[in-house]
This record gives sequence, structure tokens and C-alpha cells, in this order.
Amino acid sequence: NAGVTQTPKFRILKIGQSMTLQCTQDMNHNYMYWYRQDPGMGLKLIYYSVGAGITDKGEVPNGYNVSRSTTEDFPLRLELAAPSQTSVYFCASSYSPGSSYEQYFGPGTRLTVT
Amino acid sequence: GNSVTQMEGPVTLSEEAFLTINCTYTATGYPSLFWYVQYPGEGLQLLLKATKADDKGSNKGFEATYRKETTSFHLEKGSVQVSDSAVYFCALSDLGGATNKLIFGTGTLLAVQP
Repeated sequence: NAGVTQTPKFRILKIGQSMTLQCTQDMNHNYMYWYRQDPGMGLKLIYYSVGAGITDKGEVPNGYNVSRSTTEDFPLRLELAAPSQTSVYFCASSYSPGSSYEQYFGPGTRLTVT
Repeated sequence: GNSVTQMEGPVTLSEEAFLTINCTYTATGYPSLFWYVQYPGEGLQLLLKATKADDKGSNKGFEATYRKETTSFHLEKGSVQVSDSAVYFCALSDLGGATNKLIFGTGTLLAVQP
């Protein structure tokens, strides 16, 4: 199993540009998540999905959109990039909603908006 | 709301020293507690977890005990190695809602010197 994969690893965007961060998991997990990690801060939840066709906002959703057309893929869309979106983005998945189940993380995408 | 507070880093130790990273939490109900580790350039991976009071999670020589009376989940290791150098995140599962949302602390950087 490849686990959770993310592309690209690095990206530099200009203010106002758009891009999609890709996330794919091959563990047949229903639950998927997008987090951002800012320096000196913990991870903040952007969006999550409990299954194909179902998404919901997390703690910091403004400026982002998601879709979940398949169990495997959960792309994150930035429509109008702003410097405040400079961050490291992590995708994660989990098997069950149960509180004892761990989340599996991808390697991250480092995004810089200038 | 639920929150996690962990000691600020960086923590710098010599090889074979004893490690403690403090973590306290605020939560309603009985969340599960986790320690995740992030090695340089990688995503987060689960180190250990505990799902109820007085449970002890352990893995790779690391241990943490779920203390409800002190709302703590401190991470310990008796003898650290250079390969333990990483960022360590304490997290709790947010029991509100239908999904396993994690709330993270800010992370503690551990640097082990030979």
C-alpha cells in the first residue's frame, strides 16, 4: 500500500492564482481530512469528508473548497491565493469515525504565496 | 471548547538522556489521547495512543499515561537516541459530531545530540 499520497510536494503561487492540491489514499478509508500547519502552530482542520459525495467545513475553511467524487480522492482547491495561505498542507484518512482510530497522514505540500 | 497545551520547544538533549514532554488537555467527556511524531520532511505518524483513563500507551520505548485527575498525557522515554529527533504533537479526539476530528497541540521540537 502506498498509503496517503499528495501532489505536488512544493509549489509557489502568485497572489490571485488558483491551484488544486491532490490527495489519494489506497486504504479504502471513508474518512478524509485536510489540515494546514503554520510555523509554531498545531494542525488546523480545513475540511473533512465522511464518504464520497459528503464534505463539511472544519475550523479554517475560508478560501478553500473541496470535493469527494470517489473514496480514494479528496482534492483541495484554492481559488484566489493569498499570502495568508502560505503553509504546509497535510491530507489524512481514517478507517472509522471512532475516537480511538488513528489518522494516516500524507507527506505534505509546502505552498508559498507571494 | 476542547484544547491541548504542550510544552514549548525546542528541547535539546544528549543521547541516552531521559525525555519528558508535557501535555495537558481540556475536554468534555472522555476523549482518546494521541502522540504523533513528525520526522523532518515527512508527514505525521501515530506514535502511541490511550483511549481511557489510566491507560498507558507505549511504542518504540516511548510511554504516556492517560491521567484524568490531572488532565495530562505526558510523553516519556528513558534513553533517547539521535534518531528520535523530530517534532512531537499531542492530540485529542473531538467527540463532538460524527467524525474523528483531532485537536492538536502546537508541537514540541526535540533535538538529540550525539
